[in-house]
Order: sequence, then structure tokens, then C-alpha cells
Amino acid sequence: AQSVTQLGSHVSVSEGALVLLRCNYSSSVPPYLFWYVQYPNQGLQLLLKYTSAATLVKGINGFEAEFKKSETSFHLTKPSAHMSDAAEYFCAVSGSGNTGKLIFGQGTTLQVKP
Amino acid sequence: GAGVSQSPRYKVAKRGQDVALRCDPISGHVSLFWYQQALGQGPEFLTYFQNEAQLDKSGLPSDRFFAERPEGSVSTLKIQRTQQEDSAVYLCASSLGVSRELFFGEGSRLTVL
Repeated sequence: AQSVTQLGSHVSVSEGALVLLRCNYSSSVPPYLFWYVQYPNQGLQLLLKYTSAATLVKGINGFEAEFKKSETSFHLTKPSAHMSDAAEYFCAVSGSGNTGKLIFGQGTTLQVKP
Repeated sequence: GAGVSQSPRYKVAKRGQDVALRCDPISGHVSLFWYQQALGQGPEFLTYFQNEAQLDKSGLPSDRFFAERPEGSVSTLKIQRTQQEDSAVYLCASSLGVSRELFFGEGSRLTVL
């Protein structure tokens, strides 16, 4: 069985500050891990994914995430927040067989203050 | 079109009515998925097609939910005798294959009164 826990349903940062969104996973098989972003009234957009290659994954819009097996974590970071980063962020996990059948976390709303 | 298209974008139904939600995947995408996203929650998997074959329907919450993709392209999610707990955004996603990136549509927001 697989599951994802996102710590913190709301995160607020100032523009230019570090963004850190936390995700912990549970998986009985080697996981594939994903971060998606959702803007209001839009579908989900893939930010980045981990598929057992490099543990530090770089994505779009300056985001990156590090897979830490010992901590079962896949936290999302961005060195400097931009106003346009304000959105809902979802962490997701899948078994290695089908990367479309995803288990999502509850989501974290990122607020960026000017 | 260039992306996954869903219609209607918004649907209001009275309790007990049947609804049908349509998904047009990206041309050539073999895999198609339906997800349900309740307010304030993450999406939850409903069902998966590879071409016209429904390979996984383990997420459908009840036998009132039915999905089809008869020609391996457009898919329809049908909900019979809608209940208030069916109120959610229904997301469709497609990909070139099982290990490829998912592309999501904007969703169909269903409100059951």
C-alpha cells in the first residue's frame, strides 16, 4: 500500500524567501514520486518527478526536490519565492508499474506575500 | 486541441439526476485516467483505460459510477442517481503510456443540490 502525507496545509512566505513544502511517503515497492502544481480553476501541472535516477530532481520554474529514502521524504524547495508561485501543491506517489495511477497528498496552499 | 479538454466545465444537478462528463484526451494518448477531487482534498484515482480497455476501475466509489472509452479516444464518466457526496471536481488525464507523463484537463465541477 502507498500513501503520502503533506505536512502543513498552508504555507506562507515572503517574496524572495525560501520555499519549503514537505512530503513524506509510504510505499511497499520502490516509489515513483511527483510534485504537481494547481492554479485556481485549472488542472494539475507536473513540476518534477523522481523515478529512481538521481536523488536530487530539478523541475520547472526553479523548483527542486530531494528523494531521501532513509527519511521517506521528498520535500519541494525553491530558493526564492515569486508572487506567481502562489498556488496549491500536491505530492504524489505511484508504484513503478503505472505512473498514471497516483496517490496524492492532501495538498499545501502556498501563499506568497509581497 | 493541444491539451486535454473536458466538458462541461460546470454542472449543477438535482439529487437523483444522471450526469455525463466528457473527456477529450490529447491526440494519440493511449492511457486515460479519471480522478475525483473533493473540495480541499487531493485528487483520488477512479479508473484507468489503455486504449478502449478499462484496465482498472478499483477507485469507482459505487456502482452508480460508470466510465467508457469505446473507440479508445474520447471517454465519458457517467454518474447515475447523483447524491450530494458526488459533488467534486472530476479530472481527466492522459498520457502516451503507462510510464509517461500525465497531462490533466481543467476538470468538470459537479455540484449536486
